[in-house]
Amino acid sequence: SAVISQKPSRDICQRGTSLTIQCQVDSQVTMMFWYRQQPGQSLTLIATANQGSEATYESGFVIDKFPISRPNLTFSTLTVSNMSPEDSSIYLCSVVVGLAPGRDIQYFGAGTRLSVL
Amino acid sequence: SQQGEEDPQALSIQEGENATMNCSYKTSINNLQWYRQNSGRGLVHLILIRSNEREKHSGRLRVTLDTSKKSSSLLITASRAADTASYFCATPFLGGGSNYKLTFGKGTLLTVNP
Repeated sequence: SAVISQKPSRDICQRGTSLTIQCQVDSQVTMMFWYRQQPGQSLTLIATANQGSEATYESGFVIDKFPISRPNLTFSTLTVSNMSPEDSSIYLCSVVVGLAPGRDIQYFGAGTRLSVL
Repeated sequence: SQQGEEDPQALSIQEGENATMNCSYKTSINNLQWYRQNSGRGLVHLILIRSNEREKHSGRLRVTLDTSKKSSSLLITASRAADTASYFCATPFLGGGSNYKLTFGKGTLLTVNP
């Protein structure tokens, strides 16, 4: 398994500002992802955080709005840039520990609840 | 786009009763997973069933998978108030590229009344 620490747990931000969310894992992991969960909705994948290279973004998400870093196998950040009220969501990081059967499930952080005024 | 769709959207039962939630998906998969989310917090992995499995048990959870109907069900037996949460099914992402990217259904909100 993996223990994931996600910070901050919640924040209230002003329109036009940026917020960086951190995801720290207690062990080296194969894959890291960032998801968004809008109020009352399901989760949508934002991007795959690639270690040492640019993240891979899903349709509808761009690097300028959601820059992601992953400097090593245990840490990643997601920045929500130039925020608007529509960015109010829960942002979650998840990890896959390994690729072998039984190790390929995803573990999620507790999430960052973001409100943009 | 979302691949999984849960049914019902909301379910309210009494403690001790069984709860059944269903998930339908659109394309071929190699596995299907169920997660629980308590009150807007992080997701907790419950169980993974692979495409060559028809049924799987874990404690009070029973999951079935019917690949011919592209559907799965999650049964929670002898429910407790602590089971109150949203339950999501998740399948590998449409469009390929990785079996580890997940697409989630809309979820079933389960309320277990004491």
